Formats: sequence, structure tokens, C-alpha cells
Amino acid sequence: GDSVTQMEGPVTLSEEAFLTINCTYTATGYPSLFWYVQYPGEGLQLLLKATKADDKGSNKGFEATYRKETTSFHLEKGSVQVSDSAVYFCALSTGANSKLTFGKGITLSVRP
Amino acid sequence: GAVVSQHPSRVICKSGTSVKIECRSLDFQATTMFWYRQFPKQSLMLMATSNEGSKATYEQGVEKDKFLINHASLTLSTLTVTSAHPEDSSFYICSATEAGGRLGYNIQYFGAGTRLSVL
Repeated sequence: GDSVTQMEGPVTLSEEAFLTINCTYTATGYPSLFWYVQYPGEGLQLLLKATKADDKGSNKGFEATYRKETTSFHLEKGSVQVSDSAVYFCALSTGANSKLTFGKGITLSVRP
Repeated sequence: GAVVSQHPSRVICKSGTSVKIECRSLDFQATTMFWYRQFPKQSLMLMATSNEGSKATYEQGVEKDKFLINHASLTLSTLTVTSAHPEDSSFYICSATEAGGRLGYNIQYFGAGTRLSVL
């Protein structure tokens, strides 16, 4: 079945540091890939997405490129801010029913 | 756009009582709504998928008589936890996708979640 693997956390960075959060996937079909962010006490918000190989999703300074050859969708940001502190989930979706398969999520804490 | 409202945000109840959680799409019509459960420091576990006007499809291991889902309209789905027990305490999150995909194919929009505590 489909699965998403995220790197183990938590991750703690200083403000303005470079961020990489790894995500790899296994899918029987040709998935769409997503990053969702969950701020404390809130639901999930879509951060960015990519629907086909080599697509780059980007939003709020975050980027991720759909790499079919390595089945990866790593999240990057060049300079993190304290406000980026949250839990980040990588997810995939295959088929027309929009069903999402999530990774375990990783907590990012950014220090001033 | 694409706002999903979930209510209540927090509920505390006694063991044996039933609790109803509402999920509404405020500015779009949701063909499909999803209900998830999230344990502390863990990922979201899909419980069921509901389509307007039809019975929900439950994931393996989820008791359909325990977690009753109703999707009576294109903007409202409800999850009722029947005869709740302490092990049902969790964070429940709903999401919705728009009919026709105007907002984006396969995009799920999430509610803010409901923290259920069963005493």
C-alpha cells in the first residue's frame, strides 16, 4: 500500500538557519504530493503541493520538488523564522477520491 | 476561501455519554469529507470518508457503530462518538474537498480540530 516516511524529529534551529525536512514515499499509482503544516492547537493547513514529476511547489519561502527517481519530496526553506515553529506533515494522494496518506509529522522549533 | 469550520473545539464528557462533532464547509460545497483521529505526537489516522447523501466508508479497524458519521448536505458532516470511554479521548479533525475541484484537484481543507476528553 501507499506510505510516507519522514525523517525523525524534533528539529530545533536558530532563526535564519537553513531548513531541510526529508520525505520519501511509496505509492502504487502516480501520486500527488503535499506538505501540510499544523500550528499549535490548530488544524492542518496546506503549505504546498506538486502533482507531477519535477514540479516544484512553493509557498511562504518553503519549497519542495517532486522527485520521481528518488521517490522524494523534501521540504526546504532558506531562512527560517520563529513563526515557522509548527508540525510539518508530508502526504500523498492517489486516485480520484482524494484520500491522503500522511507521514508521522515532524516538529520544528525555531529559536530567536 | 476554502474555510472549514469544526465545532466544538474542545469537549469534556463523562464516560458513557455521546458526543457530536460538526464539520462545515463555509464557502464551498464539499462532495467528500474525511474524519481523522490524531494521537499525541503522532500522525493523522483516517477514520472514514463520507460522501454527501451516502453511507460513510470506514477504514479497517474503525468501529462504525461507535463512530457514527452523517453527511446530510454538501456543507455539513457530523461525527458522533457513541458511549464514549476514556480510550476515545483524542484529537479529531475533519477535512473536506470541493465538488468539481475548483479549489484544486485532490486538495483537502482541514478544520481546526476537536479535543475530546472522556472522564
